[in-house]
Amino acid sequence: SQQGEEDPQALSIQEGENATMNCSYKTSINNLQWYRQNSGRGLVHLILIRSNEREKHSGRLRVTLDTSKKSSSLLITASRAADTASYFCATDLGGTSYGKLTFGQGTILTVHP
Amino acid sequence: EAGVTQFPSHSVIEKGQTVTLRCDPISGHDNLYWYRRVMGKEIKFLLHFVKESKQDESGMPNNRFLAERTGGTYSTLKVQPAELEDSGVYFCASSQFGTVKYFGPGTRLTVL
Repeated sequence: SQQGEEDPQALSIQEGENATMNCSYKTSINNLQWYRQNSGRGLVHLILIRSNEREKHSGRLRVTLDTSKKSSSLLITASRAADTASYFCATDLGGTSYGKLTFGQGTILTVHP
Repeated sequence: EAGVTQFPSHSVIEKGQTVTLRCDPISGHDNLYWYRRVMGKEIKFLLHFVKESKQDESGMPNNRFLAERTGGTYSTLKVQPAELEDSGVYFCASSQFGTVKYFGPGTRLTVL
């Protein structure tokens, strides 16, 4: 198993609905980040949550972190067709590994107009 | 502010040939990272430069891969000789303080 594992692998919803993606990891982390990748494009950083934080918001994004369960979730509210992309969680262990991200396999989100 | 740029965007080569990928980080970013996503697998860390020094190259798959960052500006990643399993998307990222990463669009490498 990988450090970051995400579910579901694919999610298909209608515009206006909410999308929730989950990420689990195995070791203690310094921070966890979520990225989006549109087809054929680079990774876009969405949000970072530190290990001492439980919830963060950014626009229509809400991220939670449960360090006791080693899991995080990304909620996109009122989804739009433009949100169609792959979403990845990435963990940063800190310490001597600071800045070295470990990614999950990602969730492919499709938002139908 | 210009983002992280990578060249070429696509490269198709024959097995055994050499390919050099280039990454230009955001100006002033001392930290530069290379990652790779092989088809169907997760994005994996290859190495980390701080200025011109290799901070961590634990993710480099083997000695066919050589990364350089002369002068602490742009970086190159050379694969010589390329093998079929090297096919994938190679991402470069840079950051100023080491946590948040700005990623380039990637170079899609196909080895035939």
